[in-house]
Amino acid sequence: QKEVEQNSGPLSVPEGAIASLNCTYSDRGSQSFFWYRQYSGKSPELIMFIYSNGDKEDGRFTAQLNKASQYVSLLIRDSQPSDSATYLCAVSYNNNDMRFGAGTRLTVKP
Amino acid sequence: EAQVTQNPRYLITVTGKKLTVTCSQNMNHEYMSWYRQDPGLGLRQIYYSMNVEVTDKGDVPEGYKVSRKEKRNFPLILESPSPNQTSLYFCASSSHLSGGERGEQFFGPGTRLTVL
Repeated sequence: QKEVEQNSGPLSVPEGAIASLNCTYSDRGSQSFFWYRQYSGKSPELIMFIYSNGDKEDGRFTAQLNKASQYVSLLIRDSQPSDSATYLCAVSYNNNDMRFGAGTRLTVKP
Repeated sequence: EAQVTQNPRYLITVTGKKLTVTCSQNMNHEYMSWYRQDPGLGLRQIYYSMNVEVTDKGDVPEGYKVSRKEKRNFPLILESPSPNQTSLYFCASSSHLSGGERGEQFFGPGTRLTVL
């Protein structure tokens, strides 16, 4: 069974702090890794994707992938109240089968 | 505007009454998928399609059918809906990147289905 695990939260951080979101996956054959943000009642929207080991930065967001540890994370620097949402980790197997974690709910307090 | 559209957005129906949820994308994407989202379980893929006339089962295909007769459309059919199919449904599309990876998925606005 191919599993994608995330802490459900809620994760609460003060405004301006770094929020760290973690995700582990079970299948070593995983190829592509995605972080989506989902506001309540809305559809998911892509924040970051990463295919290779290491870090990938985009503005305030950094995705980190460690395939040996089967671990992918998302760091949000200078967190803002508008970042409050549920963050979904998604893992693609053979580019067809896409598995999502249950999501981590993040609250950024002013 | 590039988008994925779904209809209807909300639907209340009764057990056994066949229904179709339509999905259409205007980005010429090869991949299309259907997901259901339930509290605590996240998004689970029902069916996906890699191109016209090519479909395959995802994690939770039981009770659902799909077809891909045109590239832009990917309807989800519930032949005999049951209460355990009450859920929030999302359609998504994505492109096939040059390196073989699946590109960013664009999601539709969702269809909230209640089966009584």
